[in-house]
Amino acid sequence: GENVEQHPSTLSVQEGDSAVIKCTYSDSASNYFPWYKQELGKRPQLIIDIRSNVGEKKDQRIAVTLNKTAKHFSLHITETQPEDSAVYFCAAPYGNKLVFGAGTILRVKS
Amino acid sequence: DAGITQSPRHKVTETGTPVTLRCHQTENHRYMYWYRQDPGHGLRLIHYSYGVKDTDKGEVSDGYSVSRSKTEDFLLTLESATSSQTSVYFCAASQGESNQPQHFGDGTRLSIL
Repeated sequence: GENVEQHPSTLSVQEGDSAVIKCTYSDSASNYFPWYKQELGKRPQLIIDIRSNVGEKKDQRIAVTLNKTAKHFSLHITETQPEDSAVYFCAAPYGNKLVFGAGTILRVKS
Repeated sequence: DAGITQSPRHKVTETGTPVTLRCHQTENHRYMYWYRQDPGHGLRLIHYSYGVKDTDKGEVSDGYSVSRSKTEDFLLTLESATSSQTSVYFCAASQGESNQPQHFGDGTRLSIL
């Protein structure tokens, strides 16, 4: 069905450590995978996305990896900082709609 | 972000009353979306539009209707609000279909008593 599984639902890390969030999807035709960050009381904001013709994309401290065979993709945040604390959502397309994961609450402890 | 404005930002109303939320965008995006966000459910699609007067249902469309008479405006209407429709509503817009980035408005917090 049209479902995106996201894990973990909450993640606590120490400042400076890495954080990894994983998502799985079911439609082999999906070809675009965005990640959004949502701070408390704010709008979701696109932080990075990847298309199915590449396996990895980096932007400073964040990276996304894609395994099309296994139908999963992951967000990696290195050298975490307190301002990385937020809810992170993955998404995958099903037809002409984006379906979002349930979100991961990331807490970075200083 | 992508010039998306939602109004009102907050609204409190009573069960059974009609409610209309407005989304306005200035970037001439073809696609517009309405989502609701509830704890534990992420963002769930209510309705979307792929052009003027062209709309389709999303995952949680019951009790909601939409209209798009101009490219820049997408309206969400609750004909007779129920307490289960208390939520935060986000509008989004994108240049193309689901393989293009969506940009979100600031949200509308709706409470139905």
